[in-house]
Amino acid sequence: EAGVVQSPRYKIIEKKQPVAFWCNPISGHNTLYWYRQNLGQGPELLIRYENEEAVDDSQLPKDRFSAERLKGVDSTLKIQPAELGDSAVYLCASSSRLAGSYNEQFFGPGTRLTVL
Amino acid sequence: SQQGEEDPQALSIQEGENATMNCSYKTSINNLQWYRQNSGRGLVHLILIRSNEREKHSGRLRVTLDTSKKSSSLLITASRAADTASYFCARTDSWGKLQFGAGTQVVVTP
Repeated sequence: EAGVVQSPRYKIIEKKQPVAFWCNPISGHNTLYWYRQNLGQGPELLIRYENEEAVDDSQLPKDRFSAERLKGVDSTLKIQPAELGDSAVYLCASSSRLAGSYNEQFFGPGTRLTVL
Repeated sequence: SQQGEEDPQALSIQEGENATMNCSYKTSINNLQWYRQNSGRGLVHLILIRSNEREKHSGRLRVTLDTSKKSSSLLITASRAADTASYFCARTDSWGKLQFGAGTQVVVTP
């Protein structure tokens, strides 16, 4: 079974440029997450989707970040414009949710973003 | 903000020794999970313990959960060099939000 796929793996851009990350979750997983992980820290949730619906985007900086999950499968996270402080690893994860329970999440390899 | 706090922040042991790390949290949980992250690699799920469970085993891993103390521990027995990684605890709250701690960096020397 294929794992969570993310692209690109690495991205270097100059500040004020736009950037987009793509994620393909594990087949059949209805819940998809985007996290940001700064060096030496644990991941922090940016947004969680259940199918097509964003059920938790409270940590997403909405002035510059946007995300979509069309058709409830693949997802794209965009930053426009990027700032120096956005340099981090952006992780996508997916999980299957049974009624009343939350299960383990499966993470992709991440996209390491460097903003110059 | 990091909602789980791991202790210690770093741990250095020799192969064959046991490694124990602890995690504390502040609010109620649906479950608590432990993940491992090797240098330059993604996060890998190790074990999930639900709020009504007290202990769980998986291979050389043993996790305990004390909801009265809002704490959990991860024990790795007979450690190997390949266990060198960062270990994160993450709590799932009642709404399904997973919040990670800052992690424990474990180095196992041959």
